[in-house]
Amino acid sequence: KQEVTQIPAALSVPEGENLVLNCSFTDSAIYNLQWFRQDPGKGLTSLLLIQSSQREQTSGRLNASLDKSSGRSTLYIAASQPGDSATYLCAVADRGSTLGRLYFGRGTQLTVWP
Amino acid sequence: SQTIHQWPATLVQPVGSPLSLECTVEGTSNPNLYWYRQAAGRGLQLLFYSVGIGQISSEVPQNLSASRPQDRQFILSSKKLLLSDSGFYLCAWSHPQDEQFFGPGTRLTVL
Repeated sequence: KQEVTQIPAALSVPEGENLVLNCSFTDSAIYNLQWFRQDPGKGLTSLLLIQSSQREQTSGRLNASLDKSSGRSTLYIAASQPGDSATYLCAVADRGSTLGRLYFGRGTQLTVWP
Repeated sequence: SQTIHQWPATLVQPVGSPLSLECTVEGTSNPNLYWYRQAAGRGLQLLFYSVGIGQISSEVPQNLSASRPQDRQFILSSKKLLLSDSGFYLCAWSHPQDEQFFGPGTRLTVL
């Protein structure tokens, strides 16, 4: 069974710092990996989707990389802002399932203070 | 563009009462549909998924059930709620092997 781990569980930084959030998964046979953002009491917002054949994806100040062989992904946030404060979730879709079933990590709770 | 709706947004129910949560998707057809639960201190747990009308698969045994009466409608139900059913319920949709999109969620408190 796929297991997804996110480190650190929580992170508190001053505004302007560049950040790295880590995600690891146990089974490298994946279709894709997705990063989400969740604000308190809200649903999940998709940030980036990396297909298994890709190495990275970028959107604005966000860059996600994927190293499938080692079972790792990182989310890089450049020049962090207080509005980036949220919980960031990593999820992988197993190659063994054609139904798009996602396995989630428990998230990294990020606080960016002014 | 596609949108996904859930209602109600918040629900407080007594133990033993029935439950019905609704999810609808607009702007797409033949989506895969999913119900997740997010309990306090725990990660997201997949409860049910559906690849078509009337086709429901359950991930975990529980006193909840799901139905898909229309292509873009997904309903989560219970005949008798338990305290342990409290949590944040999220509906999601995707096309196979593609990006998954989530609704705003329903906060359920069982007293």
